[in-house]
This record gives sequence, C-alpha cells and structure tokens, in this order.
Amino acid sequence: TQLLEQSPQFLSIQEGENLTVYCNSSSVFSSLQWYRQEPGEGPVLLVTVVTGGEVKKLKRLTFQFGDARKDSSLHITAAQPGDTGLYLCAGSFMNRDDKIIFGKGTRLHILP
Amino acid sequence: DAGVIQSPRHEVTEMGQEVTLRCKPISGHDYLFWYRQTMMRGLELLIYFNNNVPIDDSGMPEDRFSAKMPNASFSTLKIQPSEPRDSAVYFCASRRAGVPYNEQFFGPGTRLTVL
Repeated sequence: TQLLEQSPQFLSIQEGENLTVYCNSSSVFSSLQWYRQEPGEGPVLLVTVVTGGEVKKLKRLTFQFGDARKDSSLHITAAQPGDTGLYLCAGSFMNRDDKIIFGKGTRLHILP
Repeated sequence: DAGVIQSPRHEVTEMGQEVTLRCKPISGHDYLFWYRQTMMRGLELLIYFNNNVPIDDSGMPEDRFSAKMPNASFSTLKIQPSEPRDSAVYFCASRRAGVPYNEQFFGPGTRLTVL
C-alpha cells in the first residue's frame, strides 16, 4: 500500500505552459516536503510545508499544503526545460518525525 | 563542504556474489538513512541510524541485507548473496538532529545491477 499517491505519474508539456502535480494520502502528516531529482543524482529538497493551508512560493513554483494536512500540490508557472526532473513528495508522521515516507513521484518533461 | 559521498557509483555483479555499498555522511550529521529506488516501488527506506545506532530496520527486505555504521563517518550496506531482483539505485542520506522538519541530504547513489 502506497501511503503517498502522486499524480500524474508522467507529464510532458511544452515550454511556457503551466502545470500542477498532486500528492495525496489518507494519513495526516506533521509536515510534507517536495524534492526534485535529476538523472544520476539524489533528490534535493525544494520546500517543506508544515501548517494546514500553507502556501509557499519558490520563484515560479507554488506549493500548497491541504487544510487537513493530508495532501499537497505543486504548481509551476511558465515551465522551462530546466524544470525537467522527478518530483517527489515526502511526509513525516506525528510522533515519528525522525523518518519520512516518499511517494513514487511525478516524472516531468518540459519540451523546448 | 563535501556532500554525502557514496561508492561505488556503479556496480555490476553476478547473482550469488556479495555486494558492499559504502557511504560517508556529511560531517556533523547525526542521522544516516539507506534507501532503495526502483521504477516499480519508488524510493523505499531500508534502515536508518541515529548516532551510529540502528533505529529502524523494518524496511530491510530480507536477511540477505545487512547494514553497519562503525563510526560517525562511515556506513556500509551489504547484500549477500545478491539476486537479480536487488538491482536498483541505492541512496544514502544524512541529516543533523535538531534541524526542523527532517531535511535530508542525499548522496548521488549507487546503481547496482545483478546479472
């Protein structure tokens, strides 16, 4: 059973378009993180959200944590080829925040 | 500052052979994590250590897998005997205790192919 479901699994769009990817669960998380992974490298942390309803922006990327702390979304405005990669969400549980659980990721390809 | 260092970067071996993967965490980090990544199962936590002590090994798939952390700057993940289904990318990550919200720093991974 996958605790964190990410959708879509794959997404290929043209440069300049907007997109949203999702991370959903039936579990409540104390915090949720988004990582980006490029080929041949390990994941790199982009952002952590901790408060229900929280919205964080990182340049053209907007991250939102659901009000109930069970889901999150990542919106990219005017996608660029440099945004290409695997986007992973990861959650920490209440009272077990020393480890995190990863979703399988959304593989994003931005066409020039 | 050097990040997490893993070796080898690539390993090709034959079924039945012993495989040892190595990791050097970032200096000063108290936690070390071993993950396995495949297309089918994504990124799975195998085991993690706090101050060199194994805390949770519930993700280790079988007794063929073992991990050690003899000191704060070195850890190994051993597979003996290896099987084709062990083929995956293995990542090591570390983090500092007391840092809020669990930010982990990953190494570049070891791509293991078992023939």
